[in-house]
Amino acid sequence: QKEVEQDPGPLSVPEGAIVSLNCTYSNSAFQYFMWYRQYSRKGPELLMYTYSSGNKEDGRFTAQVDKSSKYISLFIRDSQPSDSATYLCAMSKMGNQFYFGTGTSLTVIP
Amino acid sequence: GAGVSQSPSNKVTEKGKDVELRCDPISGHTALYWYRQRLGQGLEFLIYFQGNSAPDKSGLPSDRFSAERTGESVSTLTIQRTQQEDSAVYLCASSLGGTTHNEQFFGPGTRLTVL
Repeated sequence: QKEVEQDPGPLSVPEGAIVSLNCTYSNSAFQYFMWYRQYSRKGPELLMYTYSSGNKEDGRFTAQVDKSSKYISLFIRDSQPSDSATYLCAMSKMGNQFYFGTGTSLTVIP
Repeated sequence: GAGVSQSPSNKVTEKGKDVELRCDPISGHTALYWYRQRLGQGLEFLIYFQGNSAPDKSGLPSDRFSAERTGESVSTLTIQRTQQEDSAVYLCASSLGGTTHNEQFFGPGTRLTVL
């Protein structure tokens, strides 16, 4: 079983839609949870970072962590064509080894 | 800018040749990571450096892969006797390191094609 599972999609939504991206994980020792955005032919860039359980909001983006269910989510409100990218979840135990999901490819159609 | 840089950006090689990929981390970042990303796949952890030492080499897929880091700065990832399955984007990231969580900053990657 992989440490981190993520549906690769692809996901296609109309502009303005709410997007929900999810990952599940198996290791209860994970403490740090991250979402990265990766545009085509670029390196990933950090979008959101959460420590332990709870919610975190940043503009149109909300990250949720449910440690009891080993489930994390990223919500994008009022999605824009510029949000079209691959979204990768990542997590770590102590902060210096990171486990990534396979990424979900998102297309927002104008 | 002062981000992570990688060279070359693209490398095409023939099966059986050796290749060397270079990563220049952000100045002052003590932690450095190498990942492999195959087409349509997530990031596969290869190796992690704290300073010049590599406490975790568990992700290196075979003994054809090696990496070194000098001067707490530049790192090179070497793949010997390349195989077609080595074709992928090789990403480097750096962070402040230490014992607390720090954000990783990624370079643009080296796209390796083995013919």
